[in-house]
Amino acid sequence: QKEVEQDPGPLSVPEGAIVSLNCTYSNSAFQYFMWYRQYSRKGPELLMYTYSSGNKEDGRFTAQVDKSSKYISLFIRDSQPSDSATYLCAMCNDYKLSFGAGTTVTVRA
Amino acid sequence: DVKVTQSSRYLVKRTGEKVFLECVQDMDHENMFWYRQDPGLGLRLIYFSYDVKMKEKGDIPEGYSVSREKKERFSLILESASTNQTSMYLCASLEVRAAPYTFGSGTRLTVV
Repeated sequence: QKEVEQDPGPLSVPEGAIVSLNCTYSNSAFQYFMWYRQYSRKGPELLMYTYSSGNKEDGRFTAQVDKSSKYISLFIRDSQPSDSATYLCAMCNDYKLSFGAGTTVTVRA
Repeated sequence: DVKVTQSSRYLVKRTGEKVFLECVQDMDHENMFWYRQDPGLGLRLIYFSYDVKMKEKGDIPEGYSVSREKKERFSLILESASTNQTSMYLCASLEVRAAPYTFGSGTRLTVV
């Protein structure tokens, strides 16, 4: 079993829809949680970073962490075509990040 | 902002060639990483380095080596390239423990 499991997708949604992305993990030592966005043929860029259970909001993006259930989510409100990308969850308790396999999202205009 | 620069965006090499992938970061980070990314498999750690001349194997080090002679530069070496090393290679750097990584733009390597 992988340390981090991410809903594989792909997801295709109409513009303006809410996008929901999810990851589960098995290592209870993970304390820090991130979401990266990766456009085609580019490197991942950091979208959200959190280290506590609960919600963190940044504009149209909300990251949710539930450590008791070992579950994290990313919500994108009012999705735009420019949000079309692959989203990677990542987590760690030290120097090495463990990544989900990524979910590819397409937002249709 | 930290910048991580990978010297090549696209490379095509022949089977058996020795291949060097270069990565440079400009913020004096101690920790640097090399990953490969393949569809359905996500990012897999090849090697990492937490200081000059220090290196540690990641999850899939076979067929690779690394060099870190200067703090800002971390090189990935494919000793004898094989077709199963065709992949997207990503370099990353990290300032402190548990902080997010900063990634380079990636090198898409094709071995023919």
